[in-house]
Parts: sequence; C-alpha cells; structure tokens
Amino acid sequence: DAKTTQPPSMDCAEGRAANLPCNHSTISGNEYVYWYRQIHSQGPQYIIHGLKNNETNEMASLIITEDRKSSTLILPHATLRDTAVYYCIVRGQGGKLIFGQGTELSVKP
Amino acid sequence: GAVVSQHPSWVICKSGTSVKIECRSLDFQATTMFWYRQFPKQSLMLMATSNEGSKATYEQGVEKDKFLINHASLTLSTLTVTSAHPEDSSFYICSARGGGGGTEAFFGQGTRLTVV
Repeated sequence: DAKTTQPPSMDCAEGRAANLPCNHSTISGNEYVYWYRQIHSQGPQYIIHGLKNNETNEMASLIITEDRKSSTLILPHATLRDTAVYYCIVRGQGGKLIFGQGTELSVKP
Repeated sequence: GAVVSQHPSWVICKSGTSVKIECRSLDFQATTMFWYRQFPKQSLMLMATSNEGSKATYEQGVEKDKFLINHASLTLSTLTVTSAHPEDSSFYICSARGGGGGTEAFFGQGTRLTVV
C-alpha cells in the first residue's frame, strides 16, 4: 500500500481557507486518494476522494497534482467545527483503508 | 452519506468474559466490512477485513481466535472479543463499503470497550 505523509498539525483562522497537504509519491495508477476526518471520540467521517481529476463537493475540494504524487484538501471557509484530525489515505489492494497519523487541524477564532 | 450504525456505543465488561459488537449498514449493502481499533492518541489500526459469506482476513499480529468476526449478511457484521482482558480496552470502529472500484467506505460511531 502506498504510504502518505502529512504534517502532524496545522492551525487555521476561522473563516479562512484551510489547505491540508499530503504526499503520496509511491501511489500507483489505479489507487484512489481518500480524505477522512475524525473528531474526538467519534468514527471517521468521509470527506472526498479522487483518482486523477480535481474534485469538489459540499464539504471540500481535492486538488491532485498532475503526477499524482501529492494532493491538497481545501476547506474553503473553516469553522470551529472543522477542528479534527484529517487523514489522507491511498486505497490499497483489496480496498483496505490504512490510516497514517493524519494532520491535527485546529481552527481558531 | 450512507449510514453505518454500531452497537453498543460503550460497554464495560469483566475480565475473562466475551463482548459482541454489532455493525450495521442501514441504507446500503455492504459487500466488505472492516474492523479497526484505536488506542488513545493513536491512529486507527486495521484489524481485519470481511466479505459477506466469507471468512475474515486478519492483519498480521491480530489473533483471529480472540477477535471473532462474522459477516453473515450484506448489512451486518459482528466482532466478538473473547476472554477479554484489560489490555483489550480500546475504541473499536467498524467500516462498511459497497461494491465498485472507487466506492468510499463509511464508518460507525465506534464502541468504547473497557475491561475491568
């Protein structure tokens, strides 16, 4: 399974865009990039996923570089409720989601 | 998104007893279910993958005789922690996914197990 690298923590001001980077330099051609977040003591929440093209939904945007070796999750207008650990995952063989350490995002007033 | 329900949300049991945790997909058919556990301040660790009607595939280091997984239908999987010990105390989380190469997985709310 391709490994991902994320910064351990980030801060963001409320109302500003939060840009969370992820490196996945060993990703293979048929592997998807998934983003989940986990608020304390809850199960992870699905945010978005993509293969090659940029994706947008009501929660976030996902920007994948042309070589697919990195991606960025964008929360356009962060709120205090977006404070969570964000996980970037490359879906491996058999569809398993292997979680790394994630990025702890703190949205501050 | 799709709903995955886990029950119970928390449980306390005595050392040596067994505990069963249920995971249900409420509005879709889950061809594959995953079980994770998470210790405080750590990430989720995958324990096993189960496909409906098949035996579960356990990750390296996970005792299959201790953590019994049953995936008898497309909407229900159960994890039984047998002969629980205090070191089994953890947050157990299930995930369910339908078919398809790019299909996302949805997670239950987790079960906090405390073994005393």
